[in-house]
Amino acid sequence: DAGVIQSPRHEVTEMGQEVTLRCKPISGHNSLFWYRQTMMRGLELLIYFNNNVPIDDSGMPEDRFSAKMPNASFSTLKIQPSEPRDSAVYFCASSHSSGAEAFFGQGTRLTVV
Amino acid sequence: KNQVEQSPQSLIILEGKNCTLQCNYTVSPFSNLRWYKQDTGRGPVSLTIMTFSENTKSNGRYTATLDADTKQSSLHITASQLSDSASYICVVSGGGGGNKLTFGTGTQLKVEL
Repeated sequence: DAGVIQSPRHEVTEMGQEVTLRCKPISGHNSLFWYRQTMMRGLELLIYFNNNVPIDDSGMPEDRFSAKMPNASFSTLKIQPSEPRDSAVYFCASSHSSGAEAFFGQGTRLTVV
Repeated sequence: KNQVEQSPQSLIILEGKNCTLQCNYTVSPFSNLRWYKQDTGRGPVSLTIMTFSENTKSNGRYTATLDADTKQSSLHITASQLSDSASYICVVSGGGGGNKLTFGTGTQLKVEL
């Protein structure tokens, strides 16, 4: 298995633009997580899905952020409109269940200028 | 409040030396504790996962300990190598509402010649 695949690896965008980050979890995994990592705050869980259903989105910072998982093999994290403070590395991870070991993707480094 | 604190924040050691990283948590109820290694520019990779009943778990040169009574964990690295240079993140699962994850901010380890 190729592991968790995220795209793009890097994204530079202007403030106000819409940004869409994509994730393909490991085949057979039932849980998918979106994280944000910054130097100041470390890793933060934004939202996680079980069987394509959002279970806990309490970490989503505000309404500008939204996540979808239309099927078991694909998820998106959208920021609209983007702001400079959204600049961070966004990781997607998947696991067999919410309590099992999570496998992380390589991350998407987002820079909003 | 659920918190995970790691120490030291950063550490520099010589190749071949041993080191111990600390993790204190206040997460309750407790489900499990994980140590992740994150190389620069990559996603975190799980080293160990420990449940309430486990005191020690090893993964090669990495040995994690857990004292659930004092809510402390340590990660001991034996005979360090240059490739051990990374950020080590302690993550505690629990805290009510399912397996909610609380992250430490990590210890940045640098191994030098």
